[in-house]
Amino acid sequence: AQKITQTQPGMFVQEKEAVTLDCTYDTSDPSYGLFWYKQPSSGEMIFLIYQGSYDQQNATEGRYSLNFQKARKSANLVISASQLGDSAMYFCAMREGSGNTGKLIFGQGTTLQVKP
Amino acid sequence: DTEVTQTPKHLVMGMTNKKSLKCEQHMGHRAMYWYKQKAKKPPELMFVYSYEKLSINESVPSRFSPECPNSSLLNLHLHALQPEDSALYLCASSRPGRGGRYEQYFGPGTRLTVT
Repeated sequence: AQKITQTQPGMFVQEKEAVTLDCTYDTSDPSYGLFWYKQPSSGEMIFLIYQGSYDQQNATEGRYSLNFQKARKSANLVISASQLGDSAMYFCAMREGSGNTGKLIFGQGTTLQVKP
Repeated sequence: DTEVTQTPKHLVMGMTNKKSLKCEQHMGHRAMYWYKQKAKKPPELMFVYSYEKLSINESVPSRFSPECPNSSLLNLHLHALQPEDSALYLCASSRPGRGGRYEQYFGPGTRLTVT
């Protein structure tokens, strides 16, 4: 069965510093997609970044980058130059199945607090 | 525009009430989802609609009844709920993307309290 593991329940980072949120996954499917979502206290899940299993390069979206190590089955999120607005819960997720209705399997989440 | 809207934002209902949650998107997405999320936990998938047809039901109790009247609208009808059904209910939609990424876009959620 597919599984996502986030081992850091909570993290602190100083404003303007970089932070890495860990995510490991387990799947026997050679084709899969990995996603990171941010959930502020307001509740909305905000899509941040995507990495496909066949992508040759690590994904980047502005201050977000994904450190994809396929052999280690890890997909860590790196946030550079942290801002106070980055304080939120972060979920790593993997798409199960193919097609437009593939299920998302979520990790347990990491709560990030940015200190001024 | 990547907006998914949900109404109401908050809902308080008794165990004998009937209410409905509404979700709408105008991005042309043909897959829509309902999730339930308890505090400090990840979202749990409830239902998936693909091209207005129910494609996944994650063994959800029948007191939750989904409906997809058209490609832009998704409803969740609630009846005879239990206090443990109190949660944040999130709607999402998705489209095929570059390389088949199918990222899901979520609405702001409805915070449901069952008394």
